[in-house]
Amino acid sequence: DGGITQSPKYLFRKEGQNVTLSCEQNLNHDAMYWYRQDPGQGLRLIYYSQIVNDFQKGDIAEGYSVSREKKESFPLTVTSAQKNPTAFYLCASSSFQVGGNEQFFGPGTRLTVL
Amino acid sequence: GENVEQHPSTLSVQEGDSAVIKCTYSDSASNYFPWYKQELGKRPQLIIDIRSNVGEKKDQRIAVTLNKTAKHFSLHITETQPEDSAVYFCAASISGSARQLTFGSGTQLTVLP
Repeated sequence: DGGITQSPKYLFRKEGQNVTLSCEQNLNHDAMYWYRQDPGQGLRLIYYSQIVNDFQKGDIAEGYSVSREKKESFPLTVTSAQKNPTAFYLCASSSFQVGGNEQFFGPGTRLTVL
Repeated sequence: GENVEQHPSTLSVQEGDSAVIKCTYSDSASNYFPWYKQELGKRPQLIIDIRSNVGEKKDQRIAVTLNKTAKHFSLHITETQPEDSAVYFCAASISGSARQLTFGSGTQLTVLP
């Protein structure tokens, strides 16, 4: 189903805890992205990565961290420094090939802070 | 950075009527404009996109128009059906290998039977 998987589907976190959201793709895409979606709002870019071992901050990177140790994987850690982490998190990937501009999205992880 | 504004935020149409959603962007360097459809609780899926070297693109009941001079682009859905009900997002991309997308705030389209 699109070649991008995210886990878990639902995640509950206590205040003060760090949690890591998984994102894996088998599309051989070079670039991967993390977005946050709040109710009634668009998607906001948290981090993106163009190649392994390299990543850049997006518009709302504060309180989040990422790693890109493998081309297929781009996990996102929501740290305790993120003041309002309850949201729907979407991972996406895209190819650098000519015409390969489309970003493919994973099914998302809904994070709730208790 | 790029800023994308999308209107309206909600749109209700009768089944069979047309729906139009409009977006404006701020950065004249943007050259790729996709539209995504997101059903409740699901992932966004690309429905159509347009590049700045064309002014219009059609795919069956869906069309997108682009006015580079005015920096706006629109999604047109004809002969709407109940299954078209969803949230639609426009986006704009600044040239670059990672194709960073800036999204509009979304339009909740409801097609009334």
